[in-house]
Amino acid sequence: SQQGEEDPQALSIQEGENATMNCSYKTSINNLQWYRQNSGRGLVHLILIRSNEREKHSGRLRVTLDTSKKSSSLLITASRAADTASYFCAQGSFKTIFGAGTRLFVKA
Amino acid sequence: DVKVTQSSRYLVKRTGEKVFLECVQDMDHENMFWYRQDPGLGLRLIYFSYDVKMKEKGDIPEGYSVSREKKERFSLILESASTNQTSMYLCASSLSGLAGPRGNEQFFGPGTRLTVL
Repeated sequence: SQQGEEDPQALSIQEGENATMNCSYKTSINNLQWYRQNSGRGLVHLILIRSNEREKHSGRLRVTLDTSKKSSSLLITASRAADTASYFCAQGSFKTIFGAGTRLFVKA
Repeated sequence: DVKVTQSSRYLVKRTGEKVFLECVQDMDHENMFWYRQDPGLGLRLIYFSYDVKMKEKGDIPEGYSVSREKKERFSLILESASTNQTSMYLCASSLSGLAGPRGNEQFFGPGTRLTVL
């Protein structure tokens, strides 16, 4: 399978703490994207990082990319209860490959 | 805002029935996708389409077919539903090309939870 892998599978933290999720992939990429899915809903695009970028920020989100290790990480700073969701990394334009996701639970 | 709608949020069908799942997007996107999502397996691509009447198989096309007669509409068809097709089905659309800060961002519908009895 070409599917990427996220780590950890599940994460539980207190509100205000930082949450870090990791993604590993197997093939070369043009870019890598992160999506969020609230329970029982469709996915929402969060951020895209291109293969020539090492780090990208968007609000409380920080994404890093290490193409030599074929890995990426998503950091959510100062987490809130509303950040409770599943987070997926994705690669590819047409035959997009999604990881299995990290389930994040932020306790108020 | 881009809107992707799916015909049903919940659907219950019987084994052997023909099932149609409809997806409509209102942003003139070239590309449309059908995924299924199962616990622990993430999203798996069933079929995608990059233009009207064009379709490509994804990773798990067996037991499914698709139709794209109009640019805004992409239908997923289960010719003879089976219990192992019980799943959450997600439709998505995107623009062609990789330019721009959001690249080939996909916009998702709310999903259809299909149960086959």
